[in-house]
Amino acid sequence: GQNIDQPTEMTATEGAIVQINCTYQTSGFNGLFWYQQHAGEAPTFLSYNVLDGLEEKGRFSSFLSRSKGYSYLLLKELQMKDSASYLCAVRLYSTLTFGKGTMLLVSP
Amino acid sequence: DVKVTQSSRYLVKRTGEKVFLECVQDMDHENMFWYRQDPGLGLRLIYFSYDVKMKEKGDIPEGYSVSREKKERFSLILESASTNQTSMYLCASSPQGIEELFFGEGSRLTVL
Repeated sequence: GQNIDQPTEMTATEGAIVQINCTYQTSGFNGLFWYQQHAGEAPTFLSYNVLDGLEEKGRFSSFLSRSKGYSYLLLKELQMKDSASYLCAVRLYSTLTFGKGTMLLVSP
Repeated sequence: DVKVTQSSRYLVKRTGEKVFLECVQDMDHENMFWYRQDPGLGLRLIYFSYDVKMKEKGDIPEGYSVSREKKERFSLILESASTNQTSMYLCASSPQGIEELFFGEGSRLTVL
């Protein structure tokens, strides 16, 4: 079976840095995605890692270690609008399998 | 911009009714997907299609079927709706390389 774990909830303060971890144990691996989903809205794409290492995109960075089955999403200079659910997903050939998501609450 | 459009944002149906959820994408994507999203369970894959008339079961296909007669349209069918199918249904599409999934706004189905 496929197992993708991420924390259920996290809280952080505006302006701070937060790291959301994701660990996976899957029967295959073709890449790892991070999506952001605001309440009542569709998920939107944040990042896609295929190779090990850190990918930076503005305030957001994503890291992957395939040997450890581990990824994290790093959010810097947090803003109130970053309050959302963050979804980790592993690509297995033609499909994506999602973790249960991490709800991030940013407070003033 | 890629647009994935789901026909209904909110539906209320009765147990035993046949339900059709329609999804249309406008970017000529090969792959289309149906997920359901439930609190505490995340997104779970119901069915996907990588070409016209092709379909593959996902993780939770029981009680559902799909149809893909045209490349741009992927329909999810609940032959006989049950209360445990009350959920948010999300359609997504991607090009062949699956470097990004584009999601529709979702259809919230309530089965009474």
